[in-house]
Amino acid sequence: EVQLVESGGDLVQPGGSLRLSCAASGFTFTYYAMSWVRQAPGKGLEWVSAISGGGGSTYYADSVRGRFTISRDNSKNTLYLQMNSLRAEDTAVYYCAKDLDVCGGGSCFSGDFDSWGQGTLVTVSS
Amino acid sequence: DIVMTQTPLSSPVTLGQPASISCRSSQSLVHSDGNTYLSWLQQRPGQPPRLLIYKISNRFSGVPDRFSGSGAGTDFTLKISRVEAEDVGVYYCMQATLFGWTFGQGTKVEIK
Repeated sequence: EVQLVESGGDLVQPGGSLRLSCAASGFTFTYYAMSWVRQAPGKGLEWVSAISGGGGSTYYADSVRGRFTISRDNSKNTLYLQMNSLRAEDTAVYYCAKDLDVCGGGSCFSGDFDSWGQGTLVTVSS
Repeated sequence: DIVMTQTPLSSPVTLGQPASISCRSSQSLVHSDGNTYLSWLQQRPGQPPRLLIYKISNRFSGVPDRFSGSGAGTDFTLKISRVEAEDVGVYYCMQATLFGWTFGQGTKVEIK
């Protein structure tokens, strides 16, 4: 059974930093692209960032590019999101999500998110 | 970024009756590889989203066959043939054809 468990969410001041983690199990982690998706309180879904299975390709939403960095450690089956220069508008539940399509190598993404974690709450406030 | 526009934003439905949600994209979602990366997700209250439909019309494993997706190019539809109580929640379309992936605003399905 696929499991994704996020952690690292916290209350942080504007301008601060935070690193989120997503521990994956139940599948061959390195074969799948992964993403972070966030949801501000009472709002809709916003895709944040994606990374290929091997970690060589990364993409970001305009709203976080230059401030957030996605990475993965395939030896630990863990996805990360380093968040710097945090703003009030970054307050949200952050979900990690797994791509549906297996990727044999290189940069491949489908954006068909077949598994989601329960999310971790990031609150940016003074 | 591609803008995804859903209608309606709210859909009160009688149990056992059909429901339909429209999703329109600001540009064609046909990828250079020939696929159209348009998916539908359901988010029940207090839960993470759940994949229902991918690549326009492919029902994900375990999704009841009362859910169906259709469309092409820029216009897509999610249909629920007979709404059940467990279908209450918010439904999102999402495009993954062009990076800067984007979701629709969400459509809240509730029981009348």
